[in-house]
Amino acid sequence: ILNVEQSPQSLHVQEGDSTNFTCSFPSSNFYALHWYRWETAKSPEALFVMTLNGDEKKKGRISATLNTKEGYSYLYIKGSQPEDSATYLCAFRAPYAGNMLTFGGGTRLMVKP
Amino acid sequence: ETGVTQSPTHLIKTRGQQVTLRCSSQSGHNTVSWYQQALGQGPQFIFQYYREEENGRGNFPPRFSGLQFPNYSSELNVNALELDDSALYLCASSWGEGAYEQYFGPGTRLTVT
Repeated sequence: ILNVEQSPQSLHVQEGDSTNFTCSFPSSNFYALHWYRWETAKSPEALFVMTLNGDEKKKGRISATLNTKEGYSYLYIKGSQPEDSATYLCAFRAPYAGNMLTFGGGTRLMVKP
Repeated sequence: ETGVTQSPTHLIKTRGQQVTLRCSSQSGHNTVSWYQQALGQGPQFIFQYYREEENGRGNFPPRFSGLQFPNYSSELNVNALELDDSALYLCASSWGEGAYEQYFGPGTRLTVT
């Protein structure tokens, strides 16, 4: 059974604060690590797909890093805005597992204006 | 939006009944995966369909079954509903089994009473 964990479970920050979340996953049999952003009543939105150890990806104010040797990824949000309020999910993919994603429990971010 | 649609949006069923949930893939996608998200947890993989055949299954009993049609739309069927089947059901579409990008629908909320 694959274990993917995210921390913290929830986070309340003020507008303008920078924040980061952690996703830990098995360090063996790695294929890819996905990050999704999920607003209530909408479809989860793909942020990043990370495949190589040391990968760093950026999309606007959001960036992510990947360490496959120790089994963790960080998601950073610089200067949080109220519209960043959402649940952020990471999902691990093993090789030869088709498209099966093993998700963490998510980090719920609330940004206060 | 991802171009993946699901119907219905909400559904209430009684224990022991059967239910069918539907998913229309993004245009050109031939692979569909289904996930169950129980309250407070991350989505869990149910199964995947590739070119109309099931080719991957998570830890779900046989009363969870599915179909994929020639146009690559898909159904999830659940027989003999139990109270624990109450959850949000998500489908995700992609091109091919090893695709990096997977696009999710907004989900169907099933309540079993």
